[in-house]
Amino acid sequence: GQNIDQPTEMTATEGAIVQINCTYQTSGFNGLFWYQQHAGEAPTFLSYNVLDGLEEKGRFSSFLSRSKGYSYLLLKELQMKDSASYLCAVDNTDKLIFGTGTRLQVFP
Amino acid sequence: NAGVMQNPRHLVRRRGQEARLRCSPMKGHSHVYWYRQLPEEGLKFMVYLQKENIIDESGMPKERFSAEFPKEGPSILRIQQVVRGDSAAYFCASSPGYGTVLSPLHFGNGTRLTVT
Repeated sequence: GQNIDQPTEMTATEGAIVQINCTYQTSGFNGLFWYQQHAGEAPTFLSYNVLDGLEEKGRFSSFLSRSKGYSYLLLKELQMKDSASYLCAVDNTDKLIFGTGTRLQVFP
Repeated sequence: NAGVMQNPRHLVRRRGQEARLRCSPMKGHSHVYWYRQLPEEGLKFMVYLQKENIIDESGMPKERFSAEFPKEGPSILRIQQVVRGDSAAYFCASSPGYGTVLSPLHFGNGTRLTVT
């Protein structure tokens, strides 16, 4: 079966750092993806990991450990506009399987 | 380069009617994915199509739902005899077919279906 787990909600303060965790158990694995989704809008691609380690993209970084079935998304220097849902997804035979998403609220 | 275009943005149907959702992929893309998102839930895979071919329909409900991607024109997701439980946001994504790692999926703005 396919199982992708993320915390449901998180809160953080403007300017802080937040880490959103994702664990997965899937029958196949080609890569792990992170998407951001603001309420009522389309998911937008943030980053992906194929190999173990850290990928950095500006204020966003994503980490993967394939042996542990674990990834995290790190957001630095949080801004109010970062309040959104963050979706973890695994590529399983060329289709993305999504977790339920983590709703992040950033407070001033 | 225009992104993935979906229409309509909002669709209201009465129970028992048919809903037709359209998705035009990005230029040069020959593969389309459909996902459904219920309120406060994640995206659920429905179907993966190539032009004139269904590659993976493992997420499609067995009845009332069908999808096509003809040689010419947009991909269509069709829901017959809609019920209240079909109310959701339906998102489409396209790719050139090289796999999601080489070409991460980019989504359209979705169609929000409301069944009254």
